[in-house]
Amino acid sequence: QSVLTQPPSASGTPGQRVTISCSGSSSNIGSNSVDWYQQFPGTAPKLLISSDDERPSGVPDRFSGSKSGTSASLAISGLQSEDESDYYCAAWDASLNDYVFGTGTKVTVL
Amino acid sequence: EVQLVESGGGLVKPGGTLRLSCAASGLPFTLAWMSWVRQAPGKGLEWVGRIKSKGSGGTTDYAAPVEGRFIISRDDSKKAIFLQMNSLETEDSAVYFCAWVARVPSVMSVWGQGTLVTVSS
Repeated sequence: QSVLTQPPSASGTPGQRVTISCSGSSSNIGSNSVDWYQQFPGTAPKLLISSDDERPSGVPDRFSGSKSGTSASLAISGLQSEDESDYYCAAWDASLNDYVFGTGTKVTVL
Repeated sequence: EVQLVESGGGLVKPGGTLRLSCAASGLPFTLAWMSWVRQAPGKGLEWVGRIKSKGSGGTTDYAAPVEGRFIISRDDSKKAIFLQMNSLETEDSAVYFCAWVARVPSVMSVWGQGTLVTVSS
């Protein structure tokens, strides 16, 4: 049972802005930074955002992250067909002494 | 280019053991913290555990479901980490990924392709 909650799905048409939420608690998001991973079916996850809002080299700037209190968000601006994928948030949980992942969100480009 | 290659997966009976390996290249391995993450078929990602660099103490941390059954170790001379899995349960069936924690304590910047473990009688 994941301690970080995400909506199971999100969708948009090409060019639209899509936002994915990630809800946690004071022991994880509330006290540690949030990372986001992108995963295409049958492949390994890829780091998309680290430390709440930092994009690794090579990640398009249409992806952005933010955090407020015990929640975080991933925004995809100018949605493209290649963004159709699963997205997971993650954060260290100080109470569990565990790196916890969100439940995952499947993004569909209509 | 950083590369991680897992091996050792397969079919094992409940209660059995299996040892996974992860061979690394292209990264400063002696300084690297490394993690294992698993994904059951059709399910989400689940952190298994991590091993710190020897310079950071070489200690390990585990997720509650595997604590006491799984052991992570490393061999810096071989640039490899290992996941010894004991007392396997059907719920341990998953693809197991190793990952480089390039930004400590937990950000996994590079992942291997994964190796499938199936626990079934």
